[in-house]
Amino acid sequence: QSALTQPRSVSGSPGQSVTISCTGTRGNVGGYNYVSWYQQYPGKAPKLIIYDVSQRPSGVPDRFSGSKSGNTASLTISGLQPEDESDYYCCSYAGSYTFVVFGGGTKLTVL
Amino acid sequence: QVQLQESGPGLLRPSQTLSLTCTVSGGSISSSAHYWSWIRQPAGKGLEWVGRVDTTGDSNYNPSLKSRVTISVDTSQNHYSLEVTSVTAADTAVYYCVGWGLSAAGIPSWGQGTLVVVSS
Repeated sequence: QSALTQPRSVSGSPGQSVTISCTGTRGNVGGYNYVSWYQQYPGKAPKLIIYDVSQRPSGVPDRFSGSKSGNTASLTISGLQPEDESDYYCCSYAGSYTFVVFGGGTKLTVL
Repeated sequence: QVQLQESGPGLLRPSQTLSLTCTVSGGSISSSAHYWSWIRQPAGKGLEWVGRVDTTGDSNYNPSLKSRVTISVDTSQNHYSLEVTSVTAADTAVYYCVGWGLSAAGIPSWGQGTLVVVSS
């Protein structure tokens, strides 16, 4: 049971937009603006695509965007491309004791 | 940004102790991140925070593992280590070392991960 709740799967057609939600509590997502998102291909290490809720690391296309409202963070991918088909994980700071918690991951299928 | 590299045995027998080291290069472990942590991922499953240490040696662990886990830092060697005692098949996973900013803000530094298999 992951501390953050994500849909197990989402799908979309090329060119469309999809949004992946990440629901936590006031003790993690709702309490801090330190939510990050990772993209992970099979057999590869996770790749950071969003940090601090809505910031993109250098080199990440602006098709990827992040936001937060209350206890729920969201990752939106616009203009879907076939290479976006991957697993996506959210991560949130959860205080100095628990430190970070993760979502269970969402599999994105590009139809 | 610094580079992190995990190292250690890839195969263990049940009840043995898992020992991994994360070597930090391209910067000092004392100043390149505020917290140094271990994350693990069993095959086909999600990411799980194992624990973290800061450069003073203060550490916190996932409560589900706390009694078996120790993370320590060696600033003279520019590396930090993970020990998990009494391993079982449930500890089989890819283990990642990750360096974080204060409050896990900013861009963390991830190692490439190392697979540890526990099997008799």
